[in-house]
Amino acid sequence: GAVVSQHPSRVICKSGTSVKIECRSLDFQATTMFWYRQFPKKSLMLMATSNEGSKATYEQGVEKDKFLINHASLTLSTLTVTSAHPEDSSFYICSARLRDSSYNEQFFGPGTRLTVL
Amino acid sequence: AQSVSQHNHHVILSEAASLELGCNYSYGGTVNLFWYVQYPGQHLQLLLKYFSGDPLVKGIKGFEAEFIKSKFSFNLRKPSVQWSDTAEYFCAVNPMNTGFQKLVFGTGTRLLVSP
Repeated sequence: GAVVSQHPSRVICKSGTSVKIECRSLDFQATTMFWYRQFPKKSLMLMATSNEGSKATYEQGVEKDKFLINHASLTLSTLTVTSAHPEDSSFYICSARLRDSSYNEQFFGPGTRLTVL
Repeated sequence: AQSVSQHNHHVILSEAASLELGCNYSYGGTVNLFWYVQYPGQHLQLLLKYFSGDPLVKGIKGFEAEFIKSKFSFNLRKPSVQWSDTAEYFCAVNPMNTGFQKLVFGTGTRLLVSP
């Protein structure tokens, strides 16, 4: 149980285009999902917290107009990187928290590697 | 600044050697603590967690960790590593001052176990 999927696993795009990444909780409901960015040889950095039916909460320094997050249902959150540039190339990971979890245990997706040419 | 520190960035061990990976955090107050593992090409998986109670927690695959509140530490241990333990290990803290809403990760320790 508690499986989280991401799609696509890899994407290569041209500079200036937008890319959408999906995060799904496959066998549980998640009122809260999280989006992280992982740089090479670095830790996971939280970008934003996505709550079902409401606006995402972005971490300091993360451009909300650049990284659009939508959490339309209890099993799906999407991250759209708008007008992507080479510096946006990274590994993006989502996680989901169980709906009725009394503690913040998160289940992670496999990640999406974005390469912007 | 509040942070999570993992002192060892790279660790190389032979099979059957004992392992201890350090994790320290600088958050005051109550915290929940986690160790995650990322095997090559795979997603993050939970190894073990601490919320309260016995400060020595046991996780999957023979791993354990000890919470020492006075030292703000949560070190990961395994008495005898295997080649299959080769992976990257992340310590994570869930601080009360974020309403327990966020996980803050350490920089990770890359473990290589030689057969």
